[in-house]
Amino acid sequence: NAGVTQTPKFQVLKTGQSMTLQCAQDMNHEYMSWYRQDPGMGLRLIHYSVGAGITDQGEVPNGYNVSRSTTEDFPLRLLSAAPSQTSVYFCASSRDSTYEQYFGPGTRLTVT
Amino acid sequence: QQQVKQSPQSLIVQKGGISIINCAYENTAFDYFPWYQQFPGKGPALLIAIRPDVSEKKEGRFTISFNKSAKQFSLHIMDSQPGDSATYFCAASIWRIQGAQKLVFGQGTRLTINP
Repeated sequence: NAGVTQTPKFQVLKTGQSMTLQCAQDMNHEYMSWYRQDPGMGLRLIHYSVGAGITDQGEVPNGYNVSRSTTEDFPLRLLSAAPSQTSVYFCASSRDSTYEQYFGPGTRLTVT
Repeated sequence: QQQVKQSPQSLIVQKGGISIINCAYENTAFDYFPWYQQFPGKGPALLIAIRPDVSEKKEGRFTISFNKSAKQFSLHIMDSQPGDSATYFCAASIWRIQGAQKLVFGQGTRLTINP
């Protein structure tokens, strides 16, 4: 089991560029989430999904899009990158029967 | 708006000492309170969690104390070791929608254990 994997590990974007952060899990978890981690702010929920075809917004969704076409994959799209989106992004997954969320290793994104 | 407040931001403890991290919340609808541990360059990992129907939960050297009336909970690390040096996050679940659990995190505490 690879668990939750994220690519790329590091990325630098210019303001206005778009990109997709990839997330995949091989644990057959129905629930997947995206968080951003900023110093002094903890982790904040961006979007989450309760299964293929079902997504919803979290605490800080503006500027990000998600889709869930398969159980395994949950990509996060930045439509037009802004310096305020400089952060470390974590993807997580969990089963319904437990509350534990399994986090990926993160993507460090810098927008200049 | 941060709904879970965590303190201190950083903490230095001598090896063998007790590390204590505190969290406070406002929303009485929270029904699950986990602590996550994060090492540099890694994602957070669940350390220990508690439900509001108990006042304390212990797993090895790690203990959660929960005070429902004060809306506070804390993590105690007994006999702290250098390997415990990490960032610790408290969290709370706000509600379940369609079975999804949405976590609200505290700001994090960077713990350093001096050898």
